[in-house]
Amino acid sequence: DAKTTQPTSMDCAEGRAANLPCNHSTISGNEYVYWYRQIHSQGPQYIIHGLKNNETNEMASLIITEDRKSSTLILPHATLRDTAVYYCIVRARFMNRDDKIIFGKGTRLHILP
Amino acid sequence: DVKVTQSSRYLVKRTGEKVFLECVQDMDHENMFWYRQDPGLGLRLIYFSYDVKMKEKGDIPEGYSVSREKKERFSLILESASTNQTSMYLCASNLLTSGSLDTQYFGPGTRLTVL
Repeated sequence: DAKTTQPTSMDCAEGRAANLPCNHSTISGNEYVYWYRQIHSQGPQYIIHGLKNNETNEMASLIITEDRKSSTLILPHATLRDTAVYYCIVRARFMNRDDKIIFGKGTRLHILP
Repeated sequence: DVKVTQSSRYLVKRTGEKVFLECVQDMDHENMFWYRQDPGLGLRLIYFSYDVKMKEKGDIPEGYSVSREKKERFSLILESASTNQTSMYLCASNLLTSGSLDTQYFGPGTRLTVL
């Protein structure tokens, strides 16, 4: 089972910030939060990851709560090309070879013109 | 840029046929993965490999086998295709550096239909 809970779908107006929540209440100390997205008919694309500090890159920002039980991915100025399924994944950075990376069902984000 | 390529974007096969899905990565990654993706079920791990000739079962290995003869190539084999194997198949790879598991990079996917 996935270790994360995400809303099934969300809408966001073009040009506005899209805030995608993720709950990971059972996260352990050595586990990171990763975000991927999958645009229709393409493979998943890495977006960002973090441990406990907030992170920002050219694609998005990641805000992790102080207790690390939830996080929010922020797309600051959403465009129509950001319409995709967004996956929040929790996993250890240092993994045994037989550990698995589990993708849940993700959030389907619709950007509205 | 990391490049993960898959041999076909679309494939149609008949029940009982042997099917080969090929994946090649050009970044010298140690780890390679095969997933399938179905509506409402997300991505599910079939097999992965952390080195040449090494393989580990994922969550749903039944009906599949894999081959990793060279570091850059990871093949998924359906010995006798069945209609319930109609799906989108995704290959991924990443680097193993000093015990840490880096970001996974995915191929474009192969949409397999078994008639």
